[in-house]
Amino acid sequence: GENVEQHPSTLSVQEGDSAVIKCTYSDSASNYFPWYKQELGKRPQLIIDIRSNVGEKKDQRIAVTLNKTAKHFSLHITETQPEDSAVYFCAASKGSNYQLIWGAGTKLIIKP
Amino acid sequence: ETGVTQSPTHLIKTRGQQVTLRCSSQSGHNTVSWYQQALGQGPQFIFQYYREEENGRGNFPPRFSGLQFPNYSSELNVNALELDDSALYLCASSLKREGQGEQFFGPGTRLTVL
Repeated sequence: GENVEQHPSTLSVQEGDSAVIKCTYSDSASNYFPWYKQELGKRPQLIIDIRSNVGEKKDQRIAVTLNKTAKHFSLHITETQPEDSAVYFCAASKGSNYQLIWGAGTKLIIKP
Repeated sequence: ETGVTQSPTHLIKTRGQQVTLRCSSQSGHNTVSWYQQALGQGPQFIFQYYREEENGRGNFPPRFSGLQFPNYSSELNVNALELDDSALYLCASSLKREGQGEQFFGPGTRLTVL
């Protein structure tokens, strides 16, 4: 079955700097790759997603890139702010079943 | 906040007991997925229900079972509880159609097994 690996497990960056989180997936049939942000004690919230027919997608300070050949995708956050501190999860699914397989998460710490 | 609700918010059970968790999906959604999130880990896919039928299952034993009702709300049942079942249980609703993928999560049920 699908396996999603996520790195790093913890990322500490200075406020205003950029943060990059990387994920790899094993099933070449996967075609939907969302990123979720989860604050302590709260539900995961979708922040951006990308489909396999697109190589890059951007939404203000957040961007996601996908390399289908290498089977990896990355989350880029620019001009980080204190409210970006949270745990970020990548996930993958295939077809139209939306059965998400998740990475282990990255704890992002924004230092003032 | 999403329109997905879950009950109860917290639950404490002992080993061997049975538990039922409930999820009300967002209006207009026909698919509910259940996930188990152990502390400090990513959610693990348990199973998904689409139009009252199980539509895929993760690597969970048969003592994890579910239902979806005609109004698309759903239940997760766990029998013979084990200590390792302690986790946050999340449900997510979505509208199954081509080109759509976003799942909307409920606040979760925190289950503690003693």
